[in-house]
Amino acid sequence: NAGVMQNPRHLVRRRGQEARLRCSPMKGHSHVYWYRQLPEEGLKFMVYLQKENIIDESGMPKERFSAEFPKEGPSILRIQQVVRGDSAAYFCASSPPQGTAPTGELFFGEGSRLTVL
Amino acid sequence: GDSVTQMEGPVTLSEEAFLTINCTYTATGYPSLFWYVQYPGEGLQLLLKATKADDKGSNKGFEATYRKETTSFHLEKGSVQVSDSAVYFCALLRMDSSYKLIFGSGTRLLVRP
Repeated sequence: NAGVMQNPRHLVRRRGQEARLRCSPMKGHSHVYWYRQLPEEGLKFMVYLQKENIIDESGMPKERFSAEFPKEGPSILRIQQVVRGDSAAYFCASSPPQGTAPTGELFFGEGSRLTVL
Repeated sequence: GDSVTQMEGPVTLSEEAFLTINCTYTATGYPSLFWYVQYPGEGLQLLLKATKADDKGSNKGFEATYRKETTSFHLEKGSVQVSDSAVYFCALLRMDSSYKLIFGSGTRLLVRP
């Protein structure tokens, strides 16, 4: 069984360019979360999506950042006009349908490391 | 708001030493608590969890007990190995509609042979 797949693993962008990060959840998982990890810091929640719906984007910066999880294909985290402060590791996680209560067990990808020059 | 506080690292131990990594939390209601581990260059993996007060989570020789009275969930292991070297994250699960995990800042553990 393939785990959560993220690509690219490493991405270098110049200031002002766009960055697109992709995440394919585990088979059967319909919930996707994006987290950002700054150097020597913990993970900060960005956004929680289900297929075609953004459930919670309270951790997402209001400008330049967007996320989607279309009916077909991977989830995409898009950062427009990147700045140096966007340099970080971006982790995607997925979970199966929650049912009546969340379990809290997220399955993480290996992360996409964005470097902005 | 809800938050998790972990002891700062790095924690450096010799092989077979006893490990404690402190974690305390602030939350409304009764969250579930978790420890995740991140090995170098990898994503996070769930290590153990506890869903209610006095529950003890355990896995791979690691243990943590949900202490409501002290709002703590300290991670312990009786005898660490070099392969335990990693970053350990304490987390809580908010029980509101977003179901999102809130992580501590992580504690790096380095075990020397």
